[in-house]
Amino acid sequence: NAGVTQTPKFQVLKTGQSMTLQCAQDMNHEYMSWYRQDPGMGLRLIHYSVGAGITDQGEVPNGYNVSRSTTEDFPLRLLSAAPSQTSVYFCASSYSAGGSPLHFGNGTRLTVT
Amino acid sequence: EDKVVQSPLSLVVHEGDTVTLNCSYEVTNFRSLLWYKQEKKAPTFLFMLTSSGIEKKSGRLSSILDKKELFSILNITATQTGDSAVYLCAVDLWNQGGKLIFGQGTELSVKP
Repeated sequence: NAGVTQTPKFQVLKTGQSMTLQCAQDMNHEYMSWYRQDPGMGLRLIHYSVGAGITDQGEVPNGYNVSRSTTEDFPLRLLSAAPSQTSVYFCASSYSAGGSPLHFGNGTRLTVT
Repeated sequence: EDKVVQSPLSLVVHEGDTVTLNCSYEVTNFRSLLWYKQEKKAPTFLFMLTSSGIEKKSGRLSSILDKKELFSILNITATQTGDSAVYLCAVDLWNQGGKLIFGQGTELSVKP
């Protein structure tokens, strides 16, 4: 059972480039989310989805886009990368939106130069 | 503004010591409090606490919640080097789309 799988593990971008971070889960979880982790700031919610076809903004959504066409996949798109987006990104899923623990992927370390 | 504060931010102990990690919170619409362990990669789930005074226990780890005083503690007894990690506390809120409010984490280092 793979759980939550994120790709790539590492990525370096130049300012202005775009890219997509991939996330897939095989636990049939309805709820999926993206967090970024920065030193001294903890984990902060970027976007989330309570089911296929439904997405919503979290705490720090600017500069990011998401879609949820299937239950399994929840990609995160960086539209025009900025140095402020240098961070570690975690995808997470859970059985429901709240009331059940999140299962995290192994993260993507992104550097924007 | 909802916030979760963990203390200490870092801690160095020797194998066999007992440690207590603290998590206090100020939030509206509290639903539950969760503890995670993060070793280099993905945070892994330890405990979810919803009721005051009921201790959750898993091996050498235990946790308890005080909803009146708005805090939780995570205890680790007889620490081992494998306990070295960042321990994250997070609060789950009602009607917030599953959003977790995380604390900054406590970095625990266990020396042999």
